[in-house]
Amino acid sequence: QQQVRQSPQSLTVWEGETAILNCSYEDSTFNYFPWYQQFPGEGPALLISIRSVSDKKEDGRFTIFFNKREKKLSLHITDSQPGDSATYFCAARTSSGQKLVFGQGTILKVYL
Amino acid sequence: DMKVTQMPRYLIKRMGENVLLECGQDMSHETMYWYRQDPGLGLQLIYISYDVDSNSEGDIPKGYRVSRKKREHFSLILDSAKTNQTSVYFCASSPSGWSAETLYFGSGTRLTVL
Repeated sequence: QQQVRQSPQSLTVWEGETAILNCSYEDSTFNYFPWYQQFPGEGPALLISIRSVSDKKEDGRFTIFFNKREKKLSLHITDSQPGDSATYFCAARTSSGQKLVFGQGTILKVYL
Repeated sequence: DMKVTQMPRYLIKRMGENVLLECGQDMSHETMYWYRQDPGLGLQLIYISYDVDSNSEGDIPKGYRVSRKKREHFSLILDSAKTNQTSVYFCASSPSGWSAETLYFGSGTRLTVL
């Protein structure tokens, strides 16, 4: 049972466009949602995160929008650059706080 | 320099052989993790270690065991490897014990079991 789901599986945008990556979850007790970015041949690295008490978190070109009622969140990447091409994982922290549950990832490709 | 180091980067084994994957971190983090990554499945948690000799099963522990005798070192062992254990394995560490905030990942070990 996938507790954290991501869509789309893959996404292609042109340079300068806004990429929107979606994430949904089932467990209403999840309270912390990080997004990890992974480049080929490397491990994931924390990109940006949000806590369930907030509905928006911004860091440069990256913004998380969070809808607690619908159990959904999205990552918006504005002015997308070829260097943003990577796999993005949405994750959620369990209520016990002991582990992160990851989604299956979205592969983003940004073309010139 | 904060780093999680995994060895080896690539490994090919035959079915039935024993496999040892090693991970080290230089940040004195209490908590360490082993994940495996498969296409379409994302990252699946195999084991968590909260400190030396304090290990807990994750979501998919079957076929794996772990060892942590020093805080900076965490090993994943596959006794009699199976072909369905072909995957990319990631080790991670976290500075928090009970609150999994930022995870720092290694570069992974790509294991092929023939």
